[in-house]
Amino acid sequence: QKEVEQDPGPLSVPEGAIVSLNCTYSNSAFQYFMWYRQYSRKGPELLMYTYSSGNKEDGRFTAQVDKSSKYISLFIRDSQPSDSATYLCAMGGDTDKLIFGTGTRLQVFP
Amino acid sequence: GAGVSQSPSNKVTEKGKDVELRCDPISGHTALYWYRQSLGQGLEFLIYFQGNSAPDKSGLPSDRFSAERTGGSVSTLTIQRTQQEDSAVYLCASSFYGGNTDTQYFGPGTRLTVL
Repeated sequence: QKEVEQDPGPLSVPEGAIVSLNCTYSNSAFQYFMWYRQYSRKGPELLMYTYSSGNKEDGRFTAQVDKSSKYISLFIRDSQPSDSATYLCAMGGDTDKLIFGTGTRLQVFP
Repeated sequence: GAGVSQSPSNKVTEKGKDVELRCDPISGHTALYWYRQSLGQGLEFLIYFQGNSAPDKSGLPSDRFSAERTGGSVSTLTIQRTQQEDSAVYLCASSFYGGNTDTQYFGPGTRLTVL
């Protein structure tokens, strides 16, 4: 079993839809949770960072962490074609290493 | 440049040849990471540098893989006797001081194809 599980998609939604992206994990030591966005042929870029449980909102993006269920989510409101990318979750604990999910490919069509 | 740069952007090589991949981190960043990204596998951690030393080499898949960093800046990832399963995108990232609370900034990657 992988430490971090993420549905690879692809997920295809119409413009304006609410998108929900999720990851599950097995290591209870994880305390730092991140979402990265990766456009085609580019390196990942940090989108959201959350420490421990709770919600964090930044514009159209909301990150949720439920440590009791070992489940994290990223919500995108009013999705735009420019949101089309691969979204990777990443997690860290008491080491300097981040563990990444496989990424979910999202396509938002006009 | 303002960001992390990597060279070459693409590399095609024959099985059994050695390759060197280069990473130029953001100036002033002390931490540097190498990852490998394969289709359906996500980002696989390879090695982490703090300054010129590598406290965590646990992700290197075999002794054919090695990396060094000089002057606390440029890093080179070397793959000897390449195999077809080494084909992947190799990504480099840097951060200011390292650790999980510090943002990692990624380069565009080197796409390696081993024929």
